Amino acid sequence: AQSVSQHNHHVILSEAASLELGCNYSYGGTVNLFWYVQYPGQHLQLLLKYFSGDPLVKGIKGFEAEFIKSKFSFNLRKPSVQWSDTAEYFCAASIYNQGGKLIFGQGTELSVKP
Amino acid sequence: DVKVTQSSRYLVKRTGEKVFLECVQDMDHENMFWYRQDPGLGLRLIYFSYDVKMKEKGDIPEGYSVSREKKERFSLILESASTNQTSMYLCASRGGGGNLPQHFGDGTRLSIL
Repeated sequence: AQSVSQHNHHVILSEAASLELGCNYSYGGTVNLFWYVQYPGQHLQLLLKYFSGDPLVKGIKGFEAEFIKSKFSFNLRKPSVQWSDTAEYFCAASIYNQGGKLIFGQGTELSVKP
Repeated sequence: DVKVTQSSRYLVKRTGEKVFLECVQDMDHENMFWYRQDPGLGLRLIYFSYDVKMKEKGDIPEGYSVSREKKERFSLILESASTNQTSMYLCASRGGGGNLPQHFGDGTRLSIL
């Protein structure tokens, strides 16, 4: 069965530190990949998405992610985090021709200390 | 901007009750989804619908049913609520294009006592 795995459940960083959150998926065919963010008390928002083309995608708020097909990975990065980045981050994959269903990872809670 | 509205932010019900969670979207989207979100498990798909009166089971449909009588509204029904259905429930909608993301509502935190 297809699955998405996020390596870290809880990450604690100080402001200005660099961030990398790992995400791996298990499916050999065509996938679309997403990172969503959920700020405390808010709904899930799309950070960025990858469908095809340049494997380095840029999203909102200075986030970027790199699709590495050979490693089945789609890691999220930000060079310098801010306190306002404190949130839960979800990686998700949708399988081509399966109606746009999303398979989510377990989520990573990011706490940024001021 | 897409607006997905869930009828309640918080809901408390008793074991055995029939529970209805409502979701409305304002963008004429074909596809709608219901997930539950639990700590350490991420979001898991309960049911989805790609058209009016159409529904498909997701990964964890047991104990749930859905109704989609109108395009903008997708209801999740707990036939006989149990304590293990205490969770956060998220509704999402998505347009028909292959490259479009899902848009989420604020969620309903449901407690079954």
